[in-house]
Amino acid sequence: DAKTTQPTSMDCAEGRAANLPCNHSTISGNEYVYWYRQIHSQGPQYIIHGLKNNETNEMASLIITEDRKSSTLILPHATLRDTAVYYCIVSGYSSASKIIFGSGTRLSIRP
Amino acid sequence: GAVVSQHPSWVICKSGTSVKIECRSLDFQATTMFWYRQFPKQSLMLMATSNEGSKATYEQGVEKDKFLINHASLTLSTLTVTSAHPEDSSFYICSARAASGGPRSTQYFGPGTRLTVL
Repeated sequence: DAKTTQPTSMDCAEGRAANLPCNHSTISGNEYVYWYRQIHSQGPQYIIHGLKNNETNEMASLIITEDRKSSTLILPHATLRDTAVYYCIVSGYSSASKIIFGSGTRLSIRP
Repeated sequence: GAVVSQHPSWVICKSGTSVKIECRSLDFQATTMFWYRQFPKQSLMLMATSNEGSKATYEQGVEKDKFLINHASLTLSTLTVTSAHPEDSSFYICSARAASGGPRSTQYFGPGTRLTVL
């Protein structure tokens, strides 16, 4: 599985867009980019995933560069409840593909 | 998204006893479930992959005789921590992936079980 590199921590003002970067330069052609977040003492929550096209859902947008070596998760209007550790993960799409967690980015939303 | 539950949400036990943790996919079938462990201020560490109807696959360094995994049906996997010791105290989290697999399948996580061994 390809590894990812994320900033250790970031902060963002409430109401502003939070942009979380991720580098995955060794991603292979059949691997997807997944984003999860973990709020303290809870299980990880799925946010979004994509292969090569940009994706948007009710939670966030995912922008993947054309060479697929990096991506950005965008939370359009951050709230205090978005404070969490955000994990960028690359993984295959088979039912047995593993999700391997790195250190993630600790995002703090300030009032 | 799909729902994965875990039971119990927390458990306290004496050293030397065994503890069973259940993981259920509530609204989908999962041929594959995964078990993770998380120590304070650390990331999640994959322990094993649980396959319905077959033996689990353990990650390097995880003792299969200590962490018994049973995946008896498409909606239930159990993790039994045998002869638990204080160093086994941790946050145990399971995840499940839809049986259909494919590009649209996503891995969903349970809420976790906090184990404290006295």
